Amino acid sequence: QQQVKQSPQSLIVQKGGISIINCAYENTAFDYFPWYQQFPGKGPALLIAIRPDVSEKKEGRFTISFNKSAKQFSLHIMDSQPGDSATYFCAASFTGNQFYFGTGTSLTVIP
Amino acid sequence: GAVVSQHPSWVICKSGTSVKIECRSLDFQATTMFWYRQFPKQSLMLMATSNEGSKATYEQGVEKDKFLINHASLTLSTLTVTSAHPEDSSFYICSARSGQGAINTQYFGPGTRLTVL
Repeated sequence: QQQVKQSPQSLIVQKGGISIINCAYENTAFDYFPWYQQFPGKGPALLIAIRPDVSEKKEGRFTISFNKSAKQFSLHIMDSQPGDSATYFCAASFTGNQFYFGTGTSLTVIP
Repeated sequence: GAVVSQHPSWVICKSGTSVKIECRSLDFQATTMFWYRQFPKQSLMLMATSNEGSKATYEQGVEKDKFLINHASLTLSTLTVTSAHPEDSSFYICSARSGQGAINTQYFGPGTRLTVL
């Protein structure tokens, strides 16, 4: 059973546009929701993370929106740049336990 | 920030040989380390969780005798692929989690590309 569902599988955005990636989870006991960015041949790098006690977190051009009642969270990349082209993974976990990863979104930002 | 290294970054070996991959947390102590396998254009598949000083916990379907994990210190975990075969070719990634307070973030290594001929 897929604990975290991620969409879309791929995304193409014009430079300067907004990239939006969505994730949905099942287990209401999850209490930590990170997003990772992965470039080809590299390990995932933590981008931004949120806990369920807040509805939004912003770091630079990256924002997580969290909807606890809908069990959904999303990553917004403002002013998308070609350097943002990568695969993005959402994840969910219980404190101190393993991460459940989404299936990934391949983002391409066109110059 | 927290840095995790992996060595080697890539390795090519003959079928039947064993390969050891090291994962080190460079600037923090990792009470727990995770080993993942990733196929091209796919998500990360958790193989096992290792806690310092204790036996690793393997996910269902992962052969513990084939993928030997040792977490001998708070900064080092090793994955040994024994008697490797071409189907073991993959991208192996480790991550480390600090045991400090409420911090739950996993920091990933750069990955190791294993090719078995």
